[in-house]
Amino acid sequence: AQSVAQPEDQVNVAEGNPLTVKCTYSVSGNPYLFWYVQYPNRGLQFLLKYITGDNLVKGSYGFEAEFNKSQTSFHLKKPSALVSDSALYFCAATRYNAGNNRKLIWGLGTSLAVNP
Amino acid sequence: ETGVTQTPRHLVMGMTNKKSLKCEQHLGHNAMYWYKQSAKKPLELMFVYNFKEQTENNSVPSRFSPECPNSSHLFLHLHTLQPEDSALYLCASSQDAGGGTTNEKLFFGSGTQLSVL
Repeated sequence: AQSVAQPEDQVNVAEGNPLTVKCTYSVSGNPYLFWYVQYPNRGLQFLLKYITGDNLVKGSYGFEAEFNKSQTSFHLKKPSALVSDSALYFCAATRYNAGNNRKLIWGLGTSLAVNP
Repeated sequence: ETGVTQTPRHLVMGMTNKKSLKCEQHLGHNAMYWYKQSAKKPLELMFVYNFKEQTENNSVPSRFSPECPNSSHLFLHLHTLQPEDSALYLCASSQDAGGGTTNEKLFFGSGTQLSVL
């Protein structure tokens, strides 16, 4: 079955340190890949997406993600974490369904805690 | 703010009640979505509307009934719900859904936290 995996339920990092939130995917073809963030009591907000081209994608709030086709990964990174980055992060990928339409499939989310 | 507004923010209802969730987007988008978010589960897409037409129903029980009177408004009518329906219900919009699906950026509302007693 096609899926998106976020292997860590929670990531803890000290403020000012680099952070990585991991995502791997098992989707046929060339999926589009996304990161969204959900702050407490809010809906999801788009951070960035990869469609094609440069493997390093830059997004909102200083985040970036690195696409690695051989490892089928799309890890989210930030050089220097802020306490305000503490939130739930979701990775998503598109896949084709039986009707040849694109569908978004989601990971379970990773809770990021940045400690002062 | 994302431009997508959901009301109410919180809702507690009994299993025999009828209630409705409302979503409004001010982004000029043509596609609107209902998602269900439960702890420890991936986001579940429930319904998709594109240009006011329902293009997707992901085997959602009939106790959930969507309505999309225009491209800016989306409702989710609830009746005879079960306790397992308790979740955060998220509305989203995008420019369009390209035949029922999207690879585009979604804009989400803050959600309605629903508790079914």
